Amino acid sequence: KNEVEQSPQNLTAQEGEFITINCSYSVGISALHWLQQHPGGGIVSLFMLSSGKKKHGRLIATINIQEKHSSLHITASHPRDSAVYICAVKKETSGSRLTFGEGTQLTVNP
Amino acid sequence: GAGVSQSPRYKVAKRGQDVALRCDPISGHVSLFWYQQALGQGPEFLTYFQNEAQLDKSGLPSDRFFAERPEGSVSTLKIQRTQQEDSAVYLCASSFTGLKEKLFFGSGTQLSVL
Repeated sequence: KNEVEQSPQNLTAQEGEFITINCSYSVGISALHWLQQHPGGGIVSLFMLSSGKKKHGRLIATINIQEKHSSLHITASHPRDSAVYICAVKKETSGSRLTFGEGTQLTVNP
Repeated sequence: GAGVSQSPRYKVAKRGQDVALRCDPISGHVSLFWYQQALGQGPEFLTYFQNEAQLDKSGLPSDRFFAERPEGSVSTLKIQRTQQEDSAVYLCASSFTGLKEKLFFGSGTQLSVL
C-alpha cells in the first residue's frame, strides 16, 4: 500500500463542473503539496499546506491533519484545467524528500 | 530568467554514454532538488542540496549517478554509462529555503537511452 494515495486516478468532467480530488496519507507529515503537471512534463506548485485551507482563484485546498486527508477543489472547471494533479507530502521523518502520490488525470471537456 | 531552467530539454544517448543535465534554479534559492520521473509515474526523489552542500543523496539509484552544485547555484546531474532503465524525465526544483515552502519546478530533461 502506497503511503500517499490519490483518488480518483482518472476524472472526466464537463466545463463548469465542481471538481474534487482526494489525497490520503498514512504517515505523519509536516507539509503537503499539491502540484499540477501538464503534458510535456512541466510541474507547477499550486499549494503548500500544513493546516487548514488555502484558496487561489478557482482552486481551494484543504487538509485535515487528524484524518490524514487533503482535498483539492476546482470551481467552475475549464478545459485548460486538464492536467495531472499530484499530491506530495513531506514526512516528519523524511528529511529532505517528498513522497508523491501517483497523480489524478483530470480531463475537462468543453 | 525568472523560473527554474533546465537544459537540454531532450537528450538521446546511446547505452554506455555519459550524460550531464543542467539546472539553473531561481536566483537566491537555497534549496535544490533533483527528481526522476518514469513514464506514467510520480516523481521519485534523487538528491537535495542546501547551497553547495549535498545533504541527501539517498535517492540516487546507483553509483553511476552523481550530482554537484559547486557554487551553490547551478547544479549538474551526471549519469555515467547510461542504461536503458535510466530513460525518464529528470526534474529539478528549487525553493527559497526548503520543503515547507512552495517549490518551483523546471520543465525537465527528457532522457532517452537507446
